[in-house]
This record gives sequence, C-alpha cells and structure tokens, in this order.
Amino acid sequence: GAGVSQSPRYKVAKRGQDVALRCDPISGHVSLFWYQQALGQGPEFLTYFQNEAQLDKSGLPSDRFFAERPEGSVSTLKIQRTQQEDSAVYLCASSPRTLDSTGELFFGEGSRLTVL
Amino acid sequence: DAKTTQPPSMDCAEGRAANLPCNHSTISGNEYVYWYRQIHSQGPQYIIHGLKNNETNEMASLIITEDRKSSTLILPHATLRDTAVYYCIVRGSNFGNEKLTFGTGTRLTIIP
Repeated sequence: GAGVSQSPRYKVAKRGQDVALRCDPISGHVSLFWYQQALGQGPEFLTYFQNEAQLDKSGLPSDRFFAERPEGSVSTLKIQRTQQEDSAVYLCASSPRTLDSTGELFFGEGSRLTVL
Repeated sequence: DAKTTQPPSMDCAEGRAANLPCNHSTISGNEYVYWYRQIHSQGPQYIIHGLKNNETNEMASLIITEDRKSSTLILPHATLRDTAVYYCIVRGSNFGNEKLTFGTGTRLTIIP
C-alpha cells in the first residue's frame, strides 16, 4: 500500500521478554519518527531519523529502548526486558522533508504492545 | 516548541459547524500551528496548518487571531465520522524541526 505500514499490529509479551516492532515508511520519505501512546494520552515522541542517521533519541525512556534504520528505509524499534509500563501503542510516522512540503507527518496505525 | 491549551472535550450536533479552540500564548514568530486528529484505533491524521493567515482546505478551516496567541479549527458541517481526538500543536518551521509535541487534545463527539 501507499501508507506507513507497521507490524505486528498487536503483540503480547511476558515481562522480561524482548520485542521488535517494524515500520515500513512511505517510499522515499527521508524522515521517520517513533512515538509511544499510553491509554488515554497523546502520542509522546521517542526518536527521529533522517535517512539512516538517528538525529534525536531524547524521548527514549530508558536504555532498554533501541531504534535503528540501517538503510534509511525500514525501521525497527526494539524493547529489551519488557516491563508492564511499556504497554502502549507504538506509532511510526514518516515525512518527505522537502522544502515545499507541508511538514505533514504520515502515521501508521500503530503496534499495540501489551506486557503481562 | 510552545505549549498549547485545549478543552478536554466537546460535543457538536451532526451537520453543524464544530469550532475547536486552542490557546498558544507563548508561540514565537517562526512557529506554525498544526492540527491533527486521531480517530479511535488509528494513527493521527494531518488536518491543516498555518502561520498567521487563515487557511482553508477540503477538511477544515483554521482561524488564527491577529496576535497569534490562539486559533480555532472549524469543521463546517460535522459528520459522525468526525468524532475523534483533535490535537493542536505548535511547531517550528517544517524544514529542520519536524518533531510534533502532542498534548492531550480535545475529544470531539458528534451527536446524531
């Protein structure tokens, strides 16, 4: 499809397990973002890539969270030793980042993580 | 980025105009006002943005006060599908500072 694709849509993990969430941005989009959205809250910024470079990771809540985008397209958010407080929807967004763009971010539908 | 203040919830009758207010009194001269909405179980969706002039597109109109300290998003003829959480976001110029900082938004419910 033409939109941002995320997988899996739903993930249940036992506390202590590692999880990996995948994001396929819109083809050609330079910028890629990860957000975390807890129940009833607005999305909170985690990290930002421009091509393969991770330019901002100020929102990652702990060193258990790691994101990569090695070839400047697909990105993976990895959470090690999951905790119950990691339960949330993880949203990925991409942007073309051209001078004449609106600055619009295109979001995927998210990956809902539940840690038991 | 400047912070925004929105009412937590609003109702609007179907077919009427929905007017969603946002205060951003600390906005600086190069910051844009963006509006996104999030329908249940979906990712946020861009609606509109503006700097200081009023803007209109196929989805909505954005009215920004002359001092730029507040704005109103207008959905001219609300439908049931417009029920969503609406986020008002202030952000720097779109090239170089693309991160969006969401608040808790306004939950808009369209009443049949």
